[in-house]
Amino acid sequence: GAGVSQTPSNKVTEKGKYVELRCDPISGHTALYWYRQSLGQGPEFLIYFQGTGAADDSGLPNDRFFAVRPEGSVSTLKIQRTERGDSAVYLCASGTGEAGELFFGEGSRLTVL
Amino acid sequence: GDSVTQMEGPVTLSEEAFLTINCTYTATGYPSLFWYVQYPGEGLQLLLKATKADDKGSNKGFEATYRKETTSFHLEKGSVQVSDSAVYFCALSEKGSGYSTLTFGKGTMLLVSP
Repeated sequence: GAGVSQTPSNKVTEKGKYVELRCDPISGHTALYWYRQSLGQGPEFLIYFQGTGAADDSGLPNDRFFAVRPEGSVSTLKIQRTERGDSAVYLCASGTGEAGELFFGEGSRLTVL
Repeated sequence: GDSVTQMEGPVTLSEEAFLTINCTYTATGYPSLFWYVQYPGEGLQLLLKATKADDKGSNKGFEATYRKETTSFHLEKGSVQVSDSAVYFCALSEKGSGYSTLTFGKGTMLLVSP
């Protein structure tokens, strides 16, 4: 498809488990972002990639969270030792670099029991 | 740090009513301002933007004017439709960083009834 694709759309896991969330950006977009949206809140920035490198990871809450983009296209957000507080919708967005104009996927809803 | 404050929802209107959703911001520099919209079952979409003071962004009948003196970017539409029912997010992006770490408000749900 032409838009940002995120998988899985829903993930239910148990506390302490490892989770991977995948993002396939719009073809040709060099900028890729991960955001997290908790219930009743706006999206919060996690990490930004320009090409293959993480240019800004200042939003990652702690070292249990990690993201990669090895070939400058698909990105994976990895969460180790999940906690109930990690439950949220994880949003991926891509862009061309024009300030603020991001294209968002539908998100991956993570529920940690 | 930067922040965005939106009016709480839900905002419930009848079709053809006038809409205002208030948004104010706090920023250290001179940000660009945005409204994003999330329709049910879809991802966030850029609705409109303004990059400097007194600029007016407009799209699909929606308008918002960048007011530096009141640090506001209120969203307006003269006549809403049922299809406008969605969650609306005000956001800002600081200039000069070379990329777009958007800071979002909490969102305002709009419900339009026929």
